[in-house]
Amino acid sequence: GENVEQHPSTLSVQEGDSAVIKCTYSDSASNYFPWYKQELGKRPQLIIDIRSNVGEKKDQRIAVTLNKTAKHFSLHITETQPEDSAVYFCAASRGSNYKLTFGKGTLLTVNP
Amino acid sequence: NAGVTQTPKFQVLKTGQSMTLQCAQDMNHEYMSWYRQDPGMGLRLIHYSVGAGITDQGEVPNGYNVSRSTTEDFPLRLLSAAPSQTSVYFCASNRDPNTEAFFGQGTRLTVV
Repeated sequence: GENVEQHPSTLSVQEGDSAVIKCTYSDSASNYFPWYKQELGKRPQLIIDIRSNVGEKKDQRIAVTLNKTAKHFSLHITETQPEDSAVYFCAASRGSNYKLTFGKGTLLTVNP
Repeated sequence: NAGVTQTPKFQVLKTGQSMTLQCAQDMNHEYMSWYRQDPGMGLRLIHYSVGAGITDQGEVPNGYNVSRSTTEDFPLRLLSAAPSQTSVYFCASNRDPNTEAFFGQGTRLTVV
């Protein structure tokens, strides 16, 4: 089955800096790659997703890039703010079999 | 529009007891799933359903049963609780596989 590796497990940045979280996946048939943010004690919520026919997607301060050849994708957050502090999860799915496989998460801390 | 609703929010069980975690969604989504979240392990898929009457196993199905008699409801049953099932459980629903998963607020289960 699919295996998703996520790095780093913890990331600490100063407010205003950029943060990058990287994920690799094993199943070359995966075609959907969402990112979820989970604040402490809350439910995961989708922040951005990308499909395999697209190399990059942006939404304000958040961007995701996908390299299908290398089987890795990354989350980029620019101009970080304290409210960006949370656990971020990447995930991968074939879509056709519905199984969404998550990485183990990255705890991002943005220091004021 | 309540989204995905899980009950209860907290539960303590004794080893060997059984219980049902409830999940209901009001978005008319065909796809529903159950995940468990353990520290440092991300979200792992337990069981999922692609429509009423259709269920399948995820990554960690042992010790859990599901059924899907209606589009709205997807209960998760613990047959004989074990301390290894201490976890936070999330139910989620999607319109289809390659779209946003909407999560419930979670159930924190402790088995003693």
